[in-house]
Amino acid sequence: DIVMTQSPASLGVSLGERATINCRSNQSILYSSINKNYLAWYQQKPGQTPKLLIYWASTRQSGVPDRFTGSGSGTDFSLTINSLQPEDVAVYFCQQYFGTPPTFGPGTTVDV
Amino acid sequence: QVQLQESGPGLVKPSETLSLTCTVSGGSIRGYYWSWIRQPPGKALEWIGYIYYSGTTNYNPSLESRVTMSVDMSENQFSLKLNSVTAADTAVYYCAREVGGGSYCDYWGQGTLVTVSS
Repeated sequence: DIVMTQSPASLGVSLGERATINCRSNQSILYSSINKNYLAWYQQKPGQTPKLLIYWASTRQSGVPDRFTGSGSGTDFSLTINSLQPEDVAVYFCQQYFGTPPTFGPGTTVDV
Repeated sequence: QVQLQESGPGLVKPSETLSLTCTVSGGSIRGYYWSWIRQPPGKALEWIGYIYYSGTTNYNPSLESRVTMSVDMSENQFSLKLNSVTAADTAVYYCAREVGGGSYCDYWGQGTLVTVSS
């Protein structure tokens, strides 16, 4: 199985500041022939269902604010939240879907 | 807006079978892949497998010998059975809709805690 790691485990950010979460896979999840990275990011607020934010490493899901940006390629990826808002307090986790089974990172808690 | 809701017993005895159902509302099961994902306490999410609306399945090799998924299009539901459970199967179980088999999930249920204990 492809192993996903995330750093940091938790992150405190002031309102209006930038938060950056890192995700790493232990093998490349880039499908070179189509130049797509098989990585998704999710947000889970306390007591709520997980919400898809980003897929193909950098494509924002419909309705997701543009302060959320996904980047990276190969084995190293980042989710950046520009100008953190109170409603962004949540756990964020990455998922690779290049290999079977799909696997998830352990999550990063973002709070103010 | 598609919504998913898990239902089933919250407590299962060791060696017995865990059974959960996911009811889909706001959209049809037809044409999509539907998955089960779980999260043991303090651990990362684990993909259990998916079922296509036609009944085709794909399970996590680590659980394949104990998992069965089924779909009921008339009820717009799909189900999970996990047999011979142990305490290690204690987790929050989520149902979700996948965009393609073994892919990312665009809709998730709220999750249901299943505890394996005598």
